[in-house]
Amino acid sequence: KAGVTQTPRYLIKTRGQQVTLSCSPISGHRSVSWYQQTPGQGLQFLFEYFSETQRNKGNFPGRFSGRQFSNSRSEMNVSTLELGDSALYLCASSLATRQETQYFGPGTRLLVL
Amino acid sequence: EDQVTQSPEALRLQEGESSSLNCSYTVSGLRGLFWYRQDPGKGPEFLFTLYSAGEEKEKERLKATLTKKESFLHITAPKPEDSATYLCAVQVSNDYKLSFGAGTTVTVRA
Repeated sequence: KAGVTQTPRYLIKTRGQQVTLSCSPISGHRSVSWYQQTPGQGLQFLFEYFSETQRNKGNFPGRFSGRQFSNSRSEMNVSTLELGDSALYLCASSLATRQETQYFGPGTRLLVL
Repeated sequence: EDQVTQSPEALRLQEGESSSLNCSYTVSGLRGLFWYRQDPGKGPEFLFTLYSAGEEKEKERLKATLTKKESFLHITAPKPEDSATYLCAVQVSNDYKLSFGAGTTVTVRA
C-alpha cells in the first residue's frame, strides 16, 4: 500500500509570497492532518480535515489555511510568507476513527528568504 | 493545557547498551499515546500506539509501556541503525490532533 505522499518536497520562497502544499493520503484514509516542525517549536498541529470539513484547528494565524477535496487529498496554503514560516510541513493521514494512528508523509521543506 | 515532556533530550549509547526513554504527560482524558521514530529530513515513522495503563507493545529491539502518568520506550541491545529521534505524542478525548513532546535523539555507536 502506498504511503502518504507530499509535493513538492522542497520549496524556496521569498517574504510576502504565498505557497500551496499538497498531500495525498493513504488509500482509504479519510482524515488528513497538517503539522509544522521547526527546531525551536518541535511538531505543532495546524489543522485536520475529514470529509472536506475542517474539524480541528491549531493555534496559527489566519495566513495558514487548508482544504480537502472529495478524494481526501488535501492542500494547505500559507499567504504573505514570513521568515519564521521556514519549516518542515508534515501531512498525516488516518482512517478517522478517534483512536486511529496517524501516518506521516515525508514532508515539504519550505525555506523563506 | 496538554503537556508532553520527553527525557533525556539526547542519549548516546554504545552498541548493545540497553536504555530507556521517558515520556511524561499531563492531559485530561487520554485517548492514546503514540511513539514515532524520525530520521533526519524525513517524516515520523509510526512505532506503537498505547491506549491504557499497563499496556505493553514490542517490535524488534523496542518495547513501549504505559502508566497513568508516563510511557517508557525501552531499547534493548541497540544497533547503530536505531539512531534516530524518538517522538512521543498524545491524543485526548474529543480531539483529533496529536500533541508532541520535543523528542529524544538517540545515537548508537558501533
